[in-house]
Amino acid sequence: QLQLQESGPGLVKPSETLSLTCTVSGGSISSSSSYWVWIRQTPGKGLEWIGSVFYTGSTYYKSSLKSRVTISADTSKNQFSLKLKSVTAADTAVYYCARDEGVAVAGTQIDYWGQGTLVTVSS
Amino acid sequence: SSELTQDPAVSVALGQTVRITCQGDSLRNYFASWYRQQPGQAPILVMYGRDKRPSGIPDRISGSRSGNTASLTITGAQAEDEADYYCSSRDSSDNHVVFGGGTKLTVL
Repeated sequence: QLQLQESGPGLVKPSETLSLTCTVSGGSISSSSSYWVWIRQTPGKGLEWIGSVFYTGSTYYKSSLKSRVTISADTSKNQFSLKLKSVTAADTAVYYCARDEGVAVAGTQIDYWGQGTLVTVSS
Repeated sequence: SSELTQDPAVSVALGQTVRITCQGDSLRNYFASWYRQQPGQAPILVMYGRDKRPSGIPDRISGSRSGNTASLTITGAQAEDEADYYCSSRDSSDNHVVFGGGTKLTVL
């Protein structure tokens, strides 16, 4: 059974960089059928895709966040990471890491999710 | 980038059938996937591809697509179906992912 677990600080100061890591167990992030994704959810609001990484290192970012986001994969540790710089209060959200098995599907198939971690941006 | 539009709220009487819809141009080229989210929990996948259900999802939940609209149908709604439902798909222009704004389903 694949499991994903987010880790990182729960509190980040404005203008600083939010850094989260997702550790994957029970499967390999080197799968050619999977994207590894970061999604966030502002309290009381909907889901927002932040970006995805393929095991080859190819990355895809939401246009409105692209200038601030870096997602990378470390296949040796079976982890992938999110860095979001210059954060503001608007970046306060629950951040989820997940697997999108949609490489072979004409659509998305986000079938495994981490439990989510709340990151608050505040001084 | 593409957008997906969902009705903010839908209600259904216990045991009746409800359809939740998702509209967007990307759905002409890509299938939608659907997620159920209970309060305080991570979303779970309930439908993807051409009417495919992950294991453990009952067959009273089904999906369909017509033109730029995808639908999730719940037959014989149960109390445990009360949740927020989100649709998702690929953006038509690249490998980006898009989500709908979510539909809050109330079972009366």
